[in-house]
Amino acid sequence: DTEVTQTPKHLVMGMTNKKSLKCEQHMGHRAMYWYKQKAKKPPELMFVYSYEKLSINESVPSRFSPECPNSSLLNLHLHALQPEDSALYLCASSQQDGGSTEAFFGQGTRLTVV
Amino acid sequence: AQSVTQPDIHITVSEGASLELRCNYSYGATPYLFWYVQSPGQGLQLLLKYFSGDTLVQGIKGFEAEFKRSQSSFNLRKPSVHWSDAAEYFCAVQGAAGNKLTFGGGTRVLVKP
Repeated sequence: DTEVTQTPKHLVMGMTNKKSLKCEQHMGHRAMYWYKQKAKKPPELMFVYSYEKLSINESVPSRFSPECPNSSLLNLHLHALQPEDSALYLCASSQQDGGSTEAFFGQGTRLTVV
Repeated sequence: AQSVTQPDIHITVSEGASLELRCNYSYGATPYLFWYVQSPGQGLQLLLKYFSGDTLVQGIKGFEAEFKRSQSSFNLRKPSVHWSDAAEYFCAVQGAAGNKLTFGGGTRVLVKP
């Protein structure tokens, strides 16, 4: 199983809503990532979890709150988002063995903030 | 800091013709290099990777890439493209010290019949 599963595939939310994006992998990977991708742009790293601990936060606004409940799951909690936060949110995972590791990406959640 | 440049924003190629996508990286040591492909609205799929060893690496879907340290390049090639190869292609670099993957700006490939 080399899949990273993201739910939901599409999400529309208002600026006062609270919602969560979910990501799951069963490859035994110990590093998990959230990326944000705007249209016609490359993915931009938001957060990295390593062994269920937050290791990198790329100065992401606090309205985005990541959570890693266990080694297979990664959540991104959303609250009070702005329309400019509309984007494709990609989850990825990789083995935790330094640089010689490849990241597997999910299909993404297309988020629209209205 | 690591960075990646993909000089071509768009490339149009005829079906059956060869394809080469350019990638130049900046990194202080030997980098780990990747090519990913993304169809519209989809996630990223890994085409191939270079960690060490043979500088010509083979990937999926008939793609190959060559690592040239002297030119800081990792260009992607395919001898004969298919209409299904139309997509966005991203080159990426990762340092040995951490898990941060840095992407180039991407090259959109259009395939003419």
